[in-house]
Amino acid sequence: DTEVTQTPKHLVMGMTNKKSLKCEQHMGHRAMYWYKQKAKKPPELMFVYSYEKLSINESVPSRFSPECPNSSLLNLHLHALQPEDSALYLCASSQERTGVHEQYFGPGTRLTVT
Amino acid sequence: KNEVEQSPQNLTAQEGEFITINCSYSVGISALHWLQQHPGGGIVSLFMLSSGKKKHGRLIATINIQEKHSSLHITASHPRDSAVYICAVPGGPDYGGSQGNLIFGKGTKLSVKP
Repeated sequence: DTEVTQTPKHLVMGMTNKKSLKCEQHMGHRAMYWYKQKAKKPPELMFVYSYEKLSINESVPSRFSPECPNSSLLNLHLHALQPEDSALYLCASSQERTGVHEQYFGPGTRLTVT
Repeated sequence: KNEVEQSPQNLTAQEGEFITINCSYSVGISALHWLQQHPGGGIVSLFMLSSGKKKHGRLIATINIQEKHSSLHITASHPRDSAVYICAVPGGPDYGGSQGNLIFGKGTKLSVKP
């Protein structure tokens, strides 16, 4: 199984809502990543987890809160978002954070903030 | 932080044509990734290469580490190859210090006409 799954596929939320994005992999990977991709732009790294510990936070606003409850699961909690946060949110995983490893990407969650 | 340049930005080809997409980067790396993204979709990893050449079906990727340059070739192109092709490299020692923290090129949008 070389699949990274993400739910939901689409999400529309108001600026006062709280919602969560979910990412799951069962490849035994110990590094998991959140990326944000605006339309017609390349993905930008948001967070990296390594062995369930947050190792990188690329200056992301606190309205985005990541969580890694176990080695297979990665969540992104959203609260008080702004319309400019509307984007495709991609999750990825790799065997390790260090060393050269292929990254496997999920299909993404398309988020619209109204 | 590594800088990634891709060319061309847009490419239109007739079915059957041979296609080349180029990627250059500024900081020495241990591996480079070629990724494919269909409209509105998630990202698929095509190749991860450290040296020389890799082939998968009609896709060929080459890299010249000394010249900091890679190319992705598609032979006998087909309309289903229409997608955005993205080159990604590790961000370098000032970007989290890990080979897993990727920086992405802006992508090449390929349209193959029947």
